[in-house]
Amino acid sequence: GENVEQHPSTLSVQEGDSAVIKCTYSDSASNYFPWYKQELGKGPQLIIDIRSNVGEKKDQRIAVTLNKTAKHFSLHITETQPEDSAVYFCAASRGGLTFGKGTHLIIQP
Amino acid sequence: DSGVTQTPKHLITATGQRVTLRCSPRSGDLSVYWYQQSLDQGLQFLIQYYNGEERAKGNILERFSAQQFPDLHSELNLSSLELGDSALYFCASSPQTGNTEAFFGQGTRLTVV
Repeated sequence: GENVEQHPSTLSVQEGDSAVIKCTYSDSASNYFPWYKQELGKGPQLIIDIRSNVGEKKDQRIAVTLNKTAKHFSLHITETQPEDSAVYFCAASRGGLTFGKGTHLIIQP
Repeated sequence: DSGVTQTPKHLITATGQRVTLRCSPRSGDLSVYWYQQSLDQGLQFLIQYYNGEERAKGNILERFSAQQFPDLHSELNLSSLELGDSALYFCASSPQTGNTEAFFGQGTRLTVV
């Protein structure tokens, strides 16, 4: 089955700086890659996704890139703000979502 | 608010007992997914239903079962509970099956004592 590795497990950045979270997947048939944000006591919330026919997608301060050849995809958050502090999960899907173990993003004021 | 409703929010029960978790998907969504979230295992896919039929199975124990009813709500049944079953259980829904956005509920926190 699919295996998704996510790094780093914890990321601390200064407010206003950029944050990058990276994931790799194992199943070359996976073709849908969503990112979720989970705040304490809440369910995961979809923040951006990308499909395998696209290399990059941007939504305001958030962008995702996909390298299908290398089976890598990354989440980029620019101009980080305190409300960006949360746990972020990547996932890969060829019909069912397999999640990475999450990155705890800490925004330092 | 994702539109996915899970009840109850919290559940405390003893080992050996059986519990039922309930999920109402977003209006119009046909697919329901169940996930277990624990500190050491992350989000683990348990099972998916699509329009009343089981579609995919993940790491679901034989002591666990689920079903999706004609009104599309779903229930996850956990029996012979063990301490290690303590976790957050999430339901997600999507309009179709396959590679499509999934929206999560707020979860049920199960504590087995």
